[in-house]
Amino acid sequence: DGGITQSPKYLFRKEGQNVTLSCEQNLNHDAMYWYRQDPGQGLRLIYYSQIVNDFQKGDIAEGYSVSREKKESFPLTVTSAQKNPTAFYLCASDLTGGLSNQPQHFGDGTRLSIL
Amino acid sequence: KQEVTQIPAALSVPEGENLVLNCSFTDSAIYNLQWFRQDPGKGLTSLLLIQSSQREQTSGRLNASLDKSSGRSTLYIAASQPGDSATYLCAVMSGYALNFGKGTSLLVTP
Repeated sequence: DGGITQSPKYLFRKEGQNVTLSCEQNLNHDAMYWYRQDPGQGLRLIYYSQIVNDFQKGDIAEGYSVSREKKESFPLTVTSAQKNPTAFYLCASDLTGGLSNQPQHFGDGTRLSIL
Repeated sequence: KQEVTQIPAALSVPEGENLVLNCSFTDSAIYNLQWFRQDPGKGLTSLLLIQSSQREQTSGRLNASLDKSSGRSTLYIAASQPGDSATYLCAVMSGYALNFGKGTSLLVTP
């Protein structure tokens, strides 16, 4: 079945540590996205990529980094500069990016907590 | 910046009732509007997508309408069931990514 796989499901970060969240899709989608979800808030965009080797900052990119070396993969690194990383992180993809009229597909998320 | 608001924040109804969830947005220059469902601790599942040129979309017991000029959308759920209990999120595409509302938490009681 086609879909988006996020791993791990739960992740714990120590002080001063960088951690990387994995996102893989087999939908042959060009565009991929990372969102952060906090209790009582809507999803906020961290980074997005419309094509391999290109990505753009979203509304809350500070303290995060991404890469897009392969069409199928869009890993997110939460760096030590992100002082409040505890949140639910969601990866999404769609066929051709924001100007298409195709629905976004989401993974099951990674819950990140501070030790 | 596009702002998306969902009302009510929470809703509890007995099984069998028809219900309406509301979504409003501040900038009418949108490409599409999408409704999602989120179960606790899970990702989002796409329910309906309405293109900016469309007025409504239907899928089973769900019907979503769009009034772009007034910046409003509604999600109508007919004959609600306990399995419909979840958070429903509205999102608008007005650039290269979606802008989300905070969601409506729905509880359907048997």
